[in-house]
Amino acid sequence: KAGVTQTPRYLIKTRGQQVTLSCSPISGHRSVSWYQQTPGQGLQFLFEYFSETQRNKGNFPGRFSGRQFSNSRSEMNVSTLELGDSALYLCASSPTLAGGREQYFGPGTRLTVT
Amino acid sequence: AQSVSQHNHHVILSEAASLELGCNYSYGGTVNLFWYVQYPGQHLQLLLKYFSGDPLVKGIKGFEAEFIKSKFSFNLRKPSVQWSDTAEYFCAVNFNSGYSTLTFGKGTMLLVSP
Repeated sequence: KAGVTQTPRYLIKTRGQQVTLSCSPISGHRSVSWYQQTPGQGLQFLFEYFSETQRNKGNFPGRFSGRQFSNSRSEMNVSTLELGDSALYLCASSPTLAGGREQYFGPGTRLTVT
Repeated sequence: AQSVSQHNHHVILSEAASLELGCNYSYGGTVNLFWYVQYPGQHLQLLLKYFSGDPLVKGIKGFEAEFIKSKFSFNLRKPSVQWSDTAEYFCAVNFNSGYSTLTFGKGTMLLVSP
């Protein structure tokens, strides 16, 4: 079974621009979560989608948004980029919303904001 | 606020030494507990998890962890580490079983010298 895939793997953007990141979950997985990983803050939860609906949201500003499509693929968007948005953005998928299930992580998208 | 803390940010061991990494969380309710590992250049992968039953759980590559409810702890152990165990280790807690959302500790970077 193919793992979680994320595109692009690397991205360089300028402050003020916007960016869209894509995630394809493992086949059959319906829950997709996004996390931001930085050296200072570690791994922080952004949001979780299930059946095309945002089910849970972390403590991030409204510039961070996402969506999920009917095939469970997900995108996240960051508008008006700031230098502090430079991070590794990780996508994780799980079969369901249930908390006892393992989340499978993708390789991440490395975003650099200059 | 619900939080996860890992006691050591960096650990250096020689091969064959024993390992114990501490993890504590702040929440008195039911939780699901995970340890993830990130090897250099690779994505996060699950080492082991606990959600009910025997508080001593065994994972991949000889790792085990013990859940002590009274101490809100989930410490990771390995009797004899190998050079290939060099990686960053993350403790993660699911505080709400209605979602897959994970709250991560800041991680422990383990360096094993041959």
